[in-house]
Amino acid sequence: GQSLEQPSEVTAVEGAIVQINCTYQTSGFYGLSWYQQHDGGAPTFLSYNALDGLEETGRFSSFLSRSDSYGYLLLQELQMKDSASYFCAAMDSNYQLIWGAGTKLIIKP
Amino acid sequence: AAGVIQSPRHLIKEKRETATLKCYPIPRHDTVYWYQQGPGQDPQFLISFYEKMQSDKGSIPDRFSAQQFSDYHSELNMSSLELGDSALYFCASSAGAQARTFGSGTRLTVV
Repeated sequence: GQSLEQPSEVTAVEGAIVQINCTYQTSGFYGLSWYQQHDGGAPTFLSYNALDGLEETGRFSSFLSRSDSYGYLLLQELQMKDSASYFCAAMDSNYQLIWGAGTKLIIKP
Repeated sequence: AAGVIQSPRHLIKEKRETATLKCYPIPRHDTVYWYQQGPGQDPQFLISFYEKMQSDKGSIPDRFSAQQFSDYHSELNMSSLELGDSALYFCASSAGAQARTFGSGTRLTVV
């Protein structure tokens, strides 16, 4: 079957760095996406990795290792507004997004 | 910049009623997706359209149908509503497969 595994909840302190891991198992694989969703809000696209390596966009970076079926989202200089759920989603061979269950990021002052 | 527009934002219906949700994708985006998201759940893919033709079907109940019109807006029609249909319904659009832009969603409550 197709599945993605990510932690259900992560807690960090404002100003710190946090890494959210994601492992995937899909029928074919084109790339790994990350989405941010605040409570009651819409998912917002953060990044997409098709190739191995690190992609950096401001305070957020995303990493992919295709050989390990593994990726992570790295958030630096955490701000209270970063409190949200973060979903990894793998694109399978049919260009469908297979979503993880989401990681709730709790940031403490 | 224009975003994905969904209407209505909130909808309350009684069991066995019908509901129609509308979505206006970003101009020049060629693909529209519909998702259902329950509380604390990840988005569940329902159906997608590429250039106004149905391109893929997910876990959409037979009571639901969708279409994309000549002006590229899309509608999700839901009939014989059940309590379990209460959820957030998102429409998303994309140009290419990687980045999907989501609308603000329609919160459907079935009572």
